[in-house]
Amino acid sequence: DAGITQSPRYKITETGRQVTLMCHQTWSHSYMFWYRQDLGHGLRLIYYSAAADITDKGEVPDGYVVSRSKTENFPLTLESATRSQTSVYFCASSDRGGPYGYTFGSGTRLTVV
Amino acid sequence: QQQVKQSPQSLIVQKGGISIINCAYENTAFDYFPWYQQFPGKGPALLIAIRPDVSEKKEGRFTISFNKSAKQFSLHIMDSQPGDSATYFCAASMIPGGSQGNLIFGKGTKLSVKP
Repeated sequence: DAGITQSPRYKITETGRQVTLMCHQTWSHSYMFWYRQDLGHGLRLIYYSAAADITDKGEVPDGYVVSRSKTENFPLTLESATRSQTSVYFCASSDRGGPYGYTFGSGTRLTVV
Repeated sequence: QQQVKQSPQSLIVQKGGISIINCAYENTAFDYFPWYQQFPGKGPALLIAIRPDVSEKKEGRFTISFNKSAKQFSLHIMDSQPGDSATYFCAASMIPGGSQGNLIFGKGTKLSVKP
């Protein structure tokens, strides 16, 4: 199916564990983004990527790692999960630089216990 | 300077009424102002957007009003319906793209339309 898909939809993990959230898009969009959504903070940019093998930090990158070896995939890894990383994570893609045409996935709800 | 301030945090409107959500920004270099709509369990979706060369843009029941001198813009939902109940985010960015083109989001407004 065409679109942008995130997996898993829900994840519970323990403090200190490594966890990877997956994001896959079928449009060959150049730009991909990871946001976290928290009550009272709205959407905050974690990392973004302008193309395969090009990534850059957003507003809240600490504790997260990204990679983009293929255009269609943009995984987000929490190297050692903390309770403060409990959040809903959204991946988005865009077919051009800047703000146009952001399409968001349905999100991953991550709980760190 | 990179912030976008959105108000109110929550809004309750009767069916058929007008919903108004306001946003303010500081960075005068911003030149693209979209609104996103998010239903529970879904990702945000682009609703309507405006550039600062116009003062108003209307799409169906949704209108963006833009006041460049006041650095403010607002979303008006006319004849609000229960199906409009969602969280609305304003955002801003600069064109052209690159990192300066990344969207800066407001904190969101949860709209409830009562039947």
